[in-house]
Amino acid sequence: DAMVIQNPRYQVTQFGKPVTLSCSQTLNHNVMYWYQQKSSQAPKLLFHYYDKDFNNEADTPDNFQSRRPNTSFCFLDIRSPGLGDAAMYLCATSRGSTVSNQPQHFGDGTRLSIL
Amino acid sequence: DAKTTQPTSMDCAEGRAANLPCNHSTISGNEYVYWYRQIHSQGPQYIIHGLKNNETNEMASLIITEDRKSSTLILPHATLRDTAVYYCIVRVADTGNQFYFGTGTSLTVIP
Repeated sequence: DAMVIQNPRYQVTQFGKPVTLSCSQTLNHNVMYWYQQKSSQAPKLLFHYYDKDFNNEADTPDNFQSRRPNTSFCFLDIRSPGLGDAAMYLCATSRGSTVSNQPQHFGDGTRLSIL
Repeated sequence: DAKTTQPTSMDCAEGRAANLPCNHSTISGNEYVYWYRQIHSQGPQYIIHGLKNNETNEMASLIITEDRKSSTLILPHATLRDTAVYYCIVRVADTGNQFYFGTGTSLTVIP
């Protein structure tokens, strides 16, 4: 059974038209992450939520924002997508802890195309 | 976080062991080594992780050198389905547990 679910798998939007990608999880993990992966590149961390606390990476453009209404759901909002934002967007979860390390569990991603 | 260095690509014959190296010469004492793989059009899949002892699970073995500056992921009997990009990640265990991926090794298992 899928534990980190991303819908849709493929999303097409127009240049400059806001788009929202969604992620849900059944693992009850308190940490959720968003990554951007461009063609033939490694995933790049955009930001993460530790519980309700939002943590942005220093080089994440302001165009990218996120919402986490509850433990199970997290959204990635791209306010004004440019052609350079075409990529695979990956959501991941983990159990955050100060005394042990936990692997991240990834969804299969949403591939975003910009027309 | 410590940077990791991996070969860009490797081949392995089906049924043979695949040994994927990773250098992490600037690793700190509390940084764990994680391995993930990514099959085309799928999300990264967790394989194994360790701190300083060698680790083994149903998928693979992880061998970490005594000075912890390098490690090797071993797939004991590679199959065609093991063809993927393999990422070695070094990450401090803290509350956020963020990962910063390196460039990875593209492993091709040859029939």
